[in-house]
Amino acid sequence: GEEVAQTPKHLVRGEGQKAKLYCAPIKGHSYVFWYQQVLKNEFKFLISFQNENVFDETGMPKERFSAKCLPNSPCSLEIQATKLEDSAVYFCASSQPKLSSDHSYNEQFFGPGTRLTVL
Amino acid sequence: DQQVKQNSPSLSVQEGRISILNCDYTNSMFDYFLWYKKYPAEGPTFLISISSIKDKNEDGRFTVFLNKSAKHLSLHIVPSQPGDSAVYFCAAGTGANSKLTFGKGITLSVRP
Repeated sequence: GEEVAQTPKHLVRGEGQKAKLYCAPIKGHSYVFWYQQVLKNEFKFLISFQNENVFDETGMPKERFSAKCLPNSPCSLEIQATKLEDSAVYFCASSQPKLSSDHSYNEQFFGPGTRLTVL
Repeated sequence: DQQVKQNSPSLSVQEGRISILNCDYTNSMFDYFLWYKKYPAEGPTFLISISSIKDKNEDGRFTVFLNKSAKHLSLHIVPSQPGDSAVYFCAAGTGANSKLTFGKGITLSVRP
């Protein structure tokens, strides 16, 4: 599609339950990024993929968080045993690959986000 | 350690005037800088970017200036319009396909 799609729009989980969020990148985009926005503060990077391969996972919490991008399927971000502090809006973004020598940045196109509320 | 800083939480300007949004950064490795605009309940929308090899980039009413020695960039919107009222995020990256590091955003209000 022409836009990044994220589902569901809202997700409510009890503490300790699993949460799974989905992202369909723009067709033809090979990079996918996940960001977490807590309380309207800055976006915290979680993980990025180049096609189905993890590109950068330096922001990913070591425990409870996992993510995948499999061929012909939406990408997913899963949180096992959610905690209150996981309540946030999770944004997915996608971009086209560019060469660094192009001296331009591959702007990331963001989806509308999934609001996760952990009670 | 906040590597991208937007020190003013809000800005109010009159329609037709210039809006100047500021951003500072601390990481010398950043080589790309971007501005995003965000409305409530929506994802950020890309506005304009600048590479560290340039000091100015212009796109219509939007101009971004980069001062590498001061580690400072600014977004100029002229003339400002009521539809520009939104939260503006400054972001920076290292490498063309890297993650973005965001500031906390500034809320711009353009008064009719």
